[in-house]
Amino acid sequence: DTEVTQTPKHLVMGMTNKKSLKCEQHMGHRAMYWYKQKAKKPPELMFVYSYEKLSINESVPSRFSPECPNSSLLNLHLHALQPEDSALYLCASSQAVASGTGELFFGEGSRLTVL
Amino acid sequence: DAKTTQPNSMESNEEEPVHLPCNHSTISGTDYIHWYRQLPSQGPEYVIHGLTSNVNNRMASLAIAEDRKSSTLILHRATLRDAAVYYCILYLYNFNKFYFGSGTKLNVKP
Repeated sequence: DTEVTQTPKHLVMGMTNKKSLKCEQHMGHRAMYWYKQKAKKPPELMFVYSYEKLSINESVPSRFSPECPNSSLLNLHLHALQPEDSALYLCASSQAVASGTGELFFGEGSRLTVL
Repeated sequence: DAKTTQPNSMESNEEEPVHLPCNHSTISGTDYIHWYRQLPSQGPEYVIHGLTSNVNNRMASLAIAEDRKSSTLILHRATLRDAAVYYCILYLYNFNKFYFGSGTKLNVKP
């Protein structure tokens, strides 16, 4: 199983809603990532988890709250978002962080629209 | 400061080789060069990576300049399924993170 599964595929939410994005992998990977991708732009790193601990936060606003309940699961909790937060949110995993030889496995993404 | 520079778009004919260039003039000695591609409505997928030497795999070849300030992804025979955005990425060893370039959109003509 070399898949990273993201749910939901599409999400529409209002600025006062609370919602969550979910990511799951069963490859035994110990590093998991959240990326944000705006239309026609490259993915931008948001968070990195290594061994279930947050290791990198790219100065992301607190309205985005990541959580790694176990080594297979990664959540992104969303609250009080702005319309400019509308984007494709990509989850990725790799065997470990701090390895330039490692391959990132990406999910298909969750497309978020904030009204 | 752009860490990698790629052309915005390129076009190729089907079954012909494609050479996708990338400049990374500020690369440090421990930074790896990766290439990923993203098909429409999908997440990026790994293509190839290298450090100093040229690399080959079933998907492509990676040619790295001797001074490592540039590299070229080579698709030996382009197919219509190779139409995608190709990202040249640096793994920044000192920061433990992958830095995506702006990408080259490859169009393959039948």
